[in-house]
Amino acid sequence: DTGVSQNPRHKITKRGQNVTFRCDPISEHNRLYWYRQTLGQGPEFLTYFQNEAQLEKSRLLSDRFSAERPKGSFSTLEIQRTEQGDSAMYLCASSLGGGVGSYNEQFFGPGTRLTVL
Amino acid sequence: GESVGLHLPTLSVQEGDNSIINCAYSNSASDYFIWYKQESGKGPQFIIDIRSNMDKRQGQRVTVLLNKTVKHLSLQIAATQPGDSAVYFCAENMKLTFGTGTRLTIIP
Repeated sequence: DTGVSQNPRHKITKRGQNVTFRCDPISEHNRLYWYRQTLGQGPEFLTYFQNEAQLEKSRLLSDRFSAERPKGSFSTLEIQRTEQGDSAMYLCASSLGGGVGSYNEQFFGPGTRLTVL
Repeated sequence: GESVGLHLPTLSVQEGDNSIINCAYSNSASDYFIWYKQESGKGPQFIIDIRSNMDKRQGQRVTVLLNKTVKHLSLQIAATQPGDSAVYFCAENMKLTFGTGTRLTIIP
């Protein structure tokens, strides 16, 4: 257990429905990241926050995806009008970040597995 | 663009032997590298990291070597155990560009 939790662990939904996932990072970590992982592939970066500010979004993040971190603690990732291609594991990670160019190891949660029927 | 790749998709090693997993990267400006282990159904687990001002870093039973000249990274696991069976990913920089991983299988 890394200290990063994600809920739900599994989500099955029908195409066209909206889904929301939650991530609770390690409490003192100011950076929070979302990744998507499909079977047989490495995780792909989606977006990250420093405190409550969303600083970068990947081109993978279509308009149907939105992420928030309103109080700089937990984060939510919402997918609207889900498509079968959205089926994947959605991973959250957190780290203690310093200034620009300062990197520290990211600790991953167990992920939320989304299946879109 | 950036890419991080692994030379072999699978690697089988006898229990107790040492294993070496290799990784190539293309972004010469990358200054931070990290190895993760991922077991089935779980999120990636941090193993070891290295910054570009170092060539080698050791942890418990693991060593990471960085060759910036040829943009190559390797993970050495000493005295492998059954619990080392997993997929291993190298990744670079803050946004963690991952490769497809190497599946390491430990043969009892």
